[in-house]
Amino acid sequence: EPEVTQTPSHQVTQMGQEVILRCVPISNHLYFYWYRQILGQKVEFLVSFYNNEISEKSEIFDDQFSVERPDGSNFTLKIRSTKLEDSAMYFCASRTDIANQPQHFGDGTRLSIL
Amino acid sequence: RKEVEQDPGPFNVPEGATVAFNCTYSNSASQSFFWYRQDCRKEPKLLMSVYSSGNEDGRFTAQLNRASQYISLLIRDSKLSDSATYLCVVNMGTGNQFYFGTGTSLTVIP
Repeated sequence: EPEVTQTPSHQVTQMGQEVILRCVPISNHLYFYWYRQILGQKVEFLVSFYNNEISEKSEIFDDQFSVERPDGSNFTLKIRSTKLEDSAMYFCASRTDIANQPQHFGDGTRLSIL
Repeated sequence: RKEVEQDPGPFNVPEGATVAFNCTYSNSASQSFFWYRQDCRKEPKLLMSVYSSGNEDGRFTAQLNRASQYISLLIRDSKLSDSATYLCVVNMGTGNQFYFGTGTSLTVIP
């Protein structure tokens, strides 16, 4: 069964540094998402991406964050000037453009800011 | 009011028990509904979509009540492996954003 893959599985970074989290969505999917889950808290929507542009973003997704689809397969989340509170699990998800279809999640990147 | 609300639990039930979770949503225009399960420190995994007429998958039954704006998940004959957090996810229909509930924690006890 095709799956969403994310790399790295764990990223440790010094505060103030930039990180790039990578995702390879399922190949025939057209909608892509990033979510964040702080330990012990709910899954929070960050951004959705469709047709090479952001379609929606949450209040969390401020100027510190950016997303890109640099080629036909990767979907990246860049976090500039990381803060301690950026420490969380980051999940990528994708889905088809057929109405009412669910999202499929990657197994996440654990980001630890020191 | 939160977009999606769930009772966080925890629900502790013996093996073989039947357990039900509810989830309420705020936007009456919501179009699609899902239950996911999440194991500790793992990604959410789709358990089942929720259809207007209700649907069943083995021991799991999902229902949608549009009038009262809630969805439910019923688990029959609980197994130890059902222990997880169950997430209610709703697409509000206004765009491409999916809203997650806080999750309901279930522990099935031997």
